[in-house]
Amino acid sequence: TQLLEQSPQFLSIQEGENLTVYCNSSSVFSSLQWYRQEPGEGPVLLVTVVTGGEVKKLKRLTFQFGDARKDSSLHITAAQPGDTGLYLCAGQTGSARQLTFGSGTQLTVLP
Amino acid sequence: DTAVSQTPKYLVTQMGNDKSIKCEQNLGHDTMYWYKQDSKKFLKIMFSYNNKELIINETVPNRFSPKSPDKAHLNLHINSLELGDSAVYFCASSQEWSSPQHFGDGTRLSIL
Repeated sequence: TQLLEQSPQFLSIQEGENLTVYCNSSSVFSSLQWYRQEPGEGPVLLVTVVTGGEVKKLKRLTFQFGDARKDSSLHITAAQPGDTGLYLCAGQTGSARQLTFGSGTQLTVLP
Repeated sequence: DTAVSQTPKYLVTQMGNDKSIKCEQNLGHDTMYWYKQDSKKFLKIMFSYNNKELIINETVPNRFSPKSPDKAHLNLHINSLELGDSAVYFCASSQEWSSPQHFGDGTRLSIL
């Protein structure tokens, strides 16, 4: 059982469409981070959310942290082929000395 | 300038061998990590380390050992390699435990 479940696992859409990726858990997180990983590279941080209900925007990407700090979502508006990649959420619980990564969402945006 | 660099990028070796993967970060971070990413892309923490504390994921076999000659380096040594060790191994660093992590580009380990 994964501590952080992401859905969907795979998503293939056309350029210009909107999409939402979810990251869910039964645990409360003190902070949650979103990363994007491209083939042959390591994950790269997109955003960190800390406060329950927090919403952060990064150009066409909107990140939301759930009120109870147990879940998060990533919404992409007007997806582009450059958005293609593996999206990973990662959370820190309490005073844990490490991040727990989610199961990942592989996004493919077709031109 | 590469922030977190790993070598080698590819490592192909036979079962039973001992190998090491090197990691260096030039960000001045205090904390470094090793992760294993399996074929399903699941990223699993193996070790978390700063100059005071080493945290070992309890599921990591003791054939794996981190070695840190200084704050900027955290190498991964693996003894008696097994087929199941085939994966991509990532090194990462952060300023402190809760800070965002910077990853290297990974080392793809293939066991024959």
